[in-house]
Amino acid sequence: ETGVTQTPRHLVMGMTNKKSLKCEQHLGHNAMYWYKQSAKKPLELMFVYSLEERVENNSVPSRFSPECPNSSHLFLHLHTLQPEDSALYLCASSQELVTSGGYGETQYFGPGTRLLVL
Amino acid sequence: KNQVEQSPQSLIILEGKNCTLQCNYTVSPFSNLRWYKQDTGRGPVSLTIMTFSENTKSNGRYTATLDADTKQSSLHITASQLSDSASYICVVSAENQFYFGTGTSLTVIP
Repeated sequence: ETGVTQTPRHLVMGMTNKKSLKCEQHLGHNAMYWYKQSAKKPLELMFVYSLEERVENNSVPSRFSPECPNSSHLFLHLHTLQPEDSALYLCASSQELVTSGGYGETQYFGPGTRLLVL
Repeated sequence: KNQVEQSPQSLIILEGKNCTLQCNYTVSPFSNLRWYKQDTGRGPVSLTIMTFSENTKSNGRYTATLDADTKQSSLHITASQLSDSASYICVVSAENQFYFGTGTSLTVIP
């Protein structure tokens, strides 16, 4: 295992539901990330947190709301989603934020939450 | 435009055979290149990482090469095993961003 856990692993929700995805890392890392993975598309970076502060938001719709209460936990709150939001949502962490260049940081990914919006 | 393209999109090989996956990129300025393996239902796991000055890196039966001049990388898998069945993702990082390829889906059959 990579040291990054995600719950739930599978989620089916209606468009009017509110749900939350949880990510926890046991690696002592300072940076955490949310990605969306759709079939036949590259991973899309959604949110980046460093030391519990959001540092990047890649034009993600407001129906996705992240929360980082501490450096070990990351949540993604979901509200009034659309069917096209169905995808695999991956959480990742790295020791430091990926801005250092050079040899760079390795991201450790969780197993993902498979989301289906009906 | 910074892009990472991988080929083939999918590949089926017999157990025990070798195969090579390709990654071409236009990302600039280049920082490093990673290959990830993603098993079905799992998150990606890092296999290799190479910087500009490295042109080959091995991890067991996996050997990655990098030609920074032509902006190409390959991942060679030797003596494939059934457990190698997965998606292999090429990721190129620039100064402060990662650029992901769409992956190659590899299926190893007995």
